[in-house]
Amino acid sequence: GENVEQHPSTLSVQEGDSAVIKCTYSDSASNYFPWYKQELGKRPQLIIDIRSNVGEKKDQRIAVTLNKTAKHFSLHITETQPEDSAVYFCAARYGNNRLAFGKGNQVVVIP
Amino acid sequence: DAGVIQSPRHEVTEMGQEVTLRCKPISGHDYLFWYRQTMMRGLELLIYFNNNVPIDDSGMPEDRFSAKMPNASFSTLKIQPSEPRDSAVYFCASSHLVGGDTQYFGPGTRLTVL
Repeated sequence: GENVEQHPSTLSVQEGDSAVIKCTYSDSASNYFPWYKQELGKRPQLIIDIRSNVGEKKDQRIAVTLNKTAKHFSLHITETQPEDSAVYFCAARYGNNRLAFGKGNQVVVIP
Repeated sequence: DAGVIQSPRHEVTEMGQEVTLRCKPISGHDYLFWYRQTMMRGLELLIYFNNNVPIDDSGMPEDRFSAKMPNASFSTLKIQPSEPRDSAVYFCASSHLVGGDTQYFGPGTRLTVL
């Protein structure tokens, strides 16, 4: 099956700075990579995703990059705000529409 | 659409009791997933269905866990008998492959087994 790893586990940033979270995956056949944001006590919610035929995708302050050769993808948050504080999960699709999730990164935005 | 609906939102039970968690997927979605989330193990896929048929239940921890999907709008996850180590948040998610791969999560059921 697929194995997804996230680095670092916790990330603290000053408000206004950028945050970058990196994930690696093991299955070269994976072709869909979503990112979910989970606030405390809430459900995971999709914030951005990327498919293997695209190298980068941007949506306002967030962007995702994909390097298929190295099998890693990253989430970039610019101009961080306190409401960006949450746990972020990366995932990779494998097999028959299954997602393998990373363990999550706690992002803390310091006002 | 109301999104994925789960009930109950919280469940506190005693060891040995039967627990039934319920999920209503988004209308028109043909995939339904059950996940368990704990601090130690993160988000684990327990089982998933395609068009009401179980496709992969290899994530179900043991025979005490069972899941059914009698129709396109309803699924249950049952634990019998429950144990303290089953305490976790259980999420249901649904997706529509033709319309996209996005899995939409329900609000979750927080289960506490005493």
